[in-house]
Amino acid sequence: DQQVKQNSPSLSVQEGRISILNCDYTNSMFDYFLWYKKYPAEGPTFLISISSIKDKNEDGRFTVFLNKSAKHLSLHIVPSQPGDSAVYFCAASPLNSGNTPLVFGKGTRLSVIA
Amino acid sequence: GAGVSQTPSNKVTEKGKYVELRCDPISGHTALYWYRQSLGQGPEFLIYFQGTGAADDSGLPNDRFFAVRPEGSVSTLKIQRTERGDSAVYLCASSPRGWGTQYFGPGTRLTVL
Repeated sequence: DQQVKQNSPSLSVQEGRISILNCDYTNSMFDYFLWYKKYPAEGPTFLISISSIKDKNEDGRFTVFLNKSAKHLSLHIVPSQPGDSAVYFCAASPLNSGNTPLVFGKGTRLSVIA
Repeated sequence: GAGVSQTPSNKVTEKGKYVELRCDPISGHTALYWYRQSLGQGPEFLIYFQGTGAADDSGLPNDRFFAVRPEGSVSTLKIQRTERGDSAVYLCASSPRGWGTQYFGPGTRLTVL
């Protein structure tokens, strides 16, 4: 039973364009969401997070949007750069319940083409 | 500053053997997590330490898996009687508190032949 779903295993985008990565979740107890980026043979690197009290958080080229009613979040990268090519994981946590382990999706492989 | 480090980076063992995987968290981080990532999957939670004690070990798949953090810093994940299905990348993460953003190490790739 996948509580965090990333339905697109891969995404290909041209350099300079916007990349949009999507994530859906089923557990209504989740109230803290994170995006991680992973290069081969490295551990996941934290990118950006959002708490359920917000619907948008922005950090440079990266913006995360949260739609609680739809249980959906998305990561926008603009403009996309070749160095953004990696696997992106969406993760969620039911912070307010006192549980802190992260629940991850399966990841989306982003390829940014020069 | 130094990030989370894990040793060894790769471990190849034979079915039935015992292995130990080590994690050095970011200095001062009280919370430490172990995850396991199989091919094509996201990381899956194994165990969480707050200080020296295991606050949540609900992700350990069975009693062959055990982890310790005796002094509240370095942690060791121990796997007894390894099976081929244990082959995966074992990731360690730490956070300054018991909640919020977790920072991951590079992982240990375990291969059980």
